[in-house]
Amino acid sequence: GAVVSQHPSRVICKSGTSVKIECRSLDFQATTMFWYRQFPKKSLMLMATSNEGSKATYEQGVEKDKFLINHASLTLSTLTVTSAHPEDSSFYICSARDSKRGGETQYFGPGTRLLVL
Amino acid sequence: GNSVTQMEGPVTLSEEAFLTINCTYTATGYPSLFWYVQYPGEGLQLLLKATKADDKGSNKGFEATYRKETTSFHLEKGSVQVSDSAVYFCALSRAGAAGNKLTFGGGTRVLVKP
Repeated sequence: GAVVSQHPSRVICKSGTSVKIECRSLDFQATTMFWYRQFPKKSLMLMATSNEGSKATYEQGVEKDKFLINHASLTLSTLTVTSAHPEDSSFYICSARDSKRGGETQYFGPGTRLLVL
Repeated sequence: GNSVTQMEGPVTLSEEAFLTINCTYTATGYPSLFWYVQYPGEGLQLLLKATKADDKGSNKGFEATYRKETTSFHLEKGSVQVSDSAVYFCALSRAGAAGNKLTFGGGTRVLVKP
């Protein structure tokens, strides 16, 4: 149980285009999901907390107009990288917290590798 | 602010060897501490956790003890297997306005050879 999927697993796009990444909790409901970014050989950096039915909470230094987050249902959150540039190339990982179980445990997706040419 | 420092890898071991991955943290208050593991091609999975000082988390033969006096949460396993090859992340959880958030260390890649 507690499976989180991400789609796509990898994407290559041209500079200036927008890319949408989906994060789904497959067998549980998640009112809270998290989006992370991971640079090569670096730690995961929390970008934002996605809250179902309300606006996302962004970490300091993360541009909310650049990284649009939508959490329209209890099982789906999307991250849209708008007007992507090569410096946005990275590994994006989402996680979700089980609303019914509660607690601190986050269940992670397998990640999406974005390459902007 | 809060931070987690763990030893850089890669760590290469032979099967049945003893594994230690050091992790120290800086935090205000009393965070919960975690070890996550990422097997090749998969997402991060919670390996074990400890929520207060002197607690010992354990799972799959791995152990880590929450040491407040040394602000450490070192991961150990007495006899590793090839299947333990993965990247291990130490993390702490801190309370925030939007709920608890995780701060991760840089990850340590472990390679166990037969």
